[in-house]
Amino acid sequence: DAGVTQSPTHLIKTRGQQVTLRCSPKSGHDTVSWYQQALGQGPQFIFQYYEEEERQRGNFPDRFSGHQFPNYSSELNVNALLLGDSALYLCASSYRGPTYNEQFFGPGTRLTVL
Amino acid sequence: AQRVTQPEKLLSVFKGAPVELKCNYSYSGSPELFWYVQYSRQRLQLLLRHISRESIKGFTADLNKGETSFHLKKPFAQEEDSAMYYCALRAGNQFYFGTGTSLTVIP
Repeated sequence: DAGVTQSPTHLIKTRGQQVTLRCSPKSGHDTVSWYQQALGQGPQFIFQYYEEEERQRGNFPDRFSGHQFPNYSSELNVNALLLGDSALYLCASSYRGPTYNEQFFGPGTRLTVL
Repeated sequence: AQRVTQPEKLLSVFKGAPVELKCNYSYSGSPELFWYVQYSRQRLQLLLRHISRESIKGFTADLNKGETSFHLKKPFAQEEDSAMYYCALRAGNQFYFGTGTSLTVIP
């Protein structure tokens, strides 16, 4: 098991463009959370997907949207990119059981907005 | 509002010395706190969780609700402990992370 995988590793976009980031969860996991980590900051929760629905959302504008597929993989979409969206985007997966289960992080996608 | 504060961005200690990484939180409910670690060129990973009350790699952390703190401690630092450490609070399905402390253990 490769664990959580994310693609692409890096990408560069210009202001106003749209971007899609992808995440495949660890085998056996059904829940995916997305985080934004700006330089020098800790990860900030964007949203979490379970059963193909957004279950909880952090303090991010509607320009940030997501999707979860039947195979539990997920996409993060960001529209109308701003310079401030430049960051490392992390995906984390877990198994949603009756009690808390550890989340495992992917390597991240580094987004640069010029 | 939920908030996690790690007051030290950088911390250097000598090998064999005790180390304490500070974490304070604000949360109106019953907190569930975690320490995550990121070693050089590796992924962010869970170090320990306050509910499990485990000692992982010699590290311990005690939840002090009176002081709203969850400091990470190790009696004798090792070179392999050099890493970035993040304190995090779980509220429902959402995690709140601190800004992290970069620990360097000097040989």
